[in-house]
Amino acid sequence: KQEVTQIPAALSVPEGENLVLNCSFTDSAIYNLQWFRQDPGKGLTSLLLIQSSQREQTSGRLNASLDKSSGRSTLYIAASQPGDSATYLCAVRVIQGAQKLVFGQGTRLTINP
Amino acid sequence: NAGVMQNPRHLVRRRGQEARLRCSPMKGHSHVYWYRQLPEEGLKFMVYLQKENIIDESGMPKERFSAEFPKEGPSILRIQQVVRGDSAAYFCASSLDWNTEAFFGQGTRLTVV
Repeated sequence: KQEVTQIPAALSVPEGENLVLNCSFTDSAIYNLQWFRQDPGKGLTSLLLIQSSQREQTSGRLNASLDKSSGRSTLYIAASQPGDSATYLCAVRVIQGAQKLVFGQGTRLTINP
Repeated sequence: NAGVMQNPRHLVRRRGQEARLRCSPMKGHSHVYWYRQLPEEGLKFMVYLQKENIIDESGMPKERFSAEFPKEGPSILRIQQVVRGDSAAYFCASSLDWNTEAFFGQGTRLTVV
């Protein structure tokens, strides 16, 4: 059974810092990995999708990497801003079990002005 | 192209009533997923549907819960005889295909009183 873990559970940093969020998964049999952000009381916004054959994806100040063999992904946020404060979730699309998305518990990020 | 639309955004039901949650996927998307999020918890998979077919309902309680995605119209998640423990945010996601980017709606927040 696939399990996804995100560390740390919460992170607070001053504005302007670069930071890294971690995601690990137990079964490397995945089709892809997706990073989302969720603001309080809101839905999920897709940030980046990395297919299993890819190593990284970039979108603006965000860069996500994937090491499928070791079961790890990182989300790098450059020059953090208060507007980046949210909960960040990673999810893997599993090969076993009808290709559903399995989510981690999320990292709650606070950027202090 | 409108995003994934869920309605209602908020739903209050008394114990024993029925709750009916609707999800219209993004245009052209035929894959729909339902997730439940309890306060301070992660997203738990409930059911994965394609048009007129249930692909995986392994996360859905065996009793009182049902889902459909008819040929025409939105996907419906139906909860019969609601109990207080059903209070949660219910999110719907859609994707173009089984291995493409998933997009989420804003969710329906169900409160059972």
